[in-house]
Formats: sequence, C-alpha cells, structure tokens
Amino acid sequence: GDSVTQMEGPVTLSEEAFLTINCTYTATGYPSLFWYVQYPGEGLQLLLKATKADDKGSNKGFEATYRKETTSFHLEKGSVQVSDSAVYFCGGSGYSTLTFGKGTMLLVSP
Amino acid sequence: SQTIHQWPATLVQPVGSPLSLECTVEGTSNPNLYWYRQAAGRGLQLLFYSVGIGQISSEVPQNLSASRPQDRQFILSSKKLLLSDSGFYLCAWSYGYGRDTEAFFGQGTRLTVV
Repeated sequence: GDSVTQMEGPVTLSEEAFLTINCTYTATGYPSLFWYVQYPGEGLQLLLKATKADDKGSNKGFEATYRKETTSFHLEKGSVQVSDSAVYFCGGSGYSTLTFGKGTMLLVSP
Repeated sequence: SQTIHQWPATLVQPVGSPLSLECTVEGTSNPNLYWYRQAAGRGLQLLFYSVGIGQISSEVPQNLSASRPQDRQFILSSKKLLLSDSGFYLCAWSYGYGRDTEAFFGQGTRLTVV
C-alpha cells in the first residue's frame, strides 16, 4: 500500500537557521503531495501542496518541490522563526485515501 | 465556505465505558470522511474512511467502529474503551477520490481513558 516516510525529530534549530525536513512517498502512480502543520492542541492545517512533478508548493516562507524520480517532497525554509515551532506532517493523496508520515517536531529557540 | 465541526474537544472516560465522537461537515456534499488517531509521540494513524453514506472502510483492527448515518456526519464509537484508546482523534474530510484532494481537519478530540 501507499506509504510516507519522513525524517524523525525532534529537529532543534536556532532562530534564522535553515530548515530541511525530508519526505518520500511510495505509491501506485503519482500522488499529490502535501505538507501539513500542527500547532499544540490543534488539528492539522494545510501548509502547501504540489499536484504534479516539478511543481513547487510555497507558503509562509516554506517551500517544497515534487521530485518525480524519487517521489520526494522535502520541506525547506530559509530562516525559521520561533513561531514555526510545531509538528510537520508530509502526506500523499492516492486513489482512495490520504496517507501521512509520522510527523516531525520542529523546535526553534530564540 | 466549508467547515468541519468535531466534538467534544476533550473527554475523560473510564475503562469499559462507551464512546461516541461526532463530526459534521458543512458547505459541501458527498465528501470523503476520515477518522485519524494520533497517539502521544506518534504520527497519524488512519482508522476509518468513508466515501458515502453507510460505506465504511477500516484500516486497522481495533476496539473502535465508525458509522456514517448522513452524508455529512461521521461518528466514531466504542462499546468498551481500553486504556490504549487514549489519544488525539481527528476527523477530516476531502472532496473525494482523486490525486488532487487535500484533507481538511477538525480541531480534534483529546480522549483520556482512565
């Protein structure tokens, strides 16, 4: 079945550091790929998405590019802020369900 | 616009008691509906999904069941809760089958079984 693999956390960074969270997706065909963010005690919010190869999703300074060859969708941000501290989930939309990775906690210190 | 409501926000239940969590979606028709569980320190586990009234698919064998009595209503139930049922339960909806469909999540229910 479909699966999503993302790097385990927590990822601990200082403010203004560069962020990368790796994500790869295994599925039949080419799914749409998503990044969601979860702040403490809340549900998940869509951060960005890409629906086909070479698409770049971007939002709030975060970016991710859909790499067809590896079905990867790594999340990046050039300069993180304390307010970016949250759990980030990579997900993929197959032909029947949405599949998510285990989540990566990001902790940004001042 | 579409909205999703999930309640209650928090729940403390004794072992062996029944459970009923409700989720409703407004502003769209025939959505796909999902129940996920997020255990402490773990990722999202898909429990059930539904593509239509009365159509429920279970992803993992467990102590829980789901029902969809109306197009935009999704209920998660248990006859007898276990300690291991504690977690954060999230309801979500999407537009339907297809590659481009993202999920829209409710605010979640924090269930503690004591």
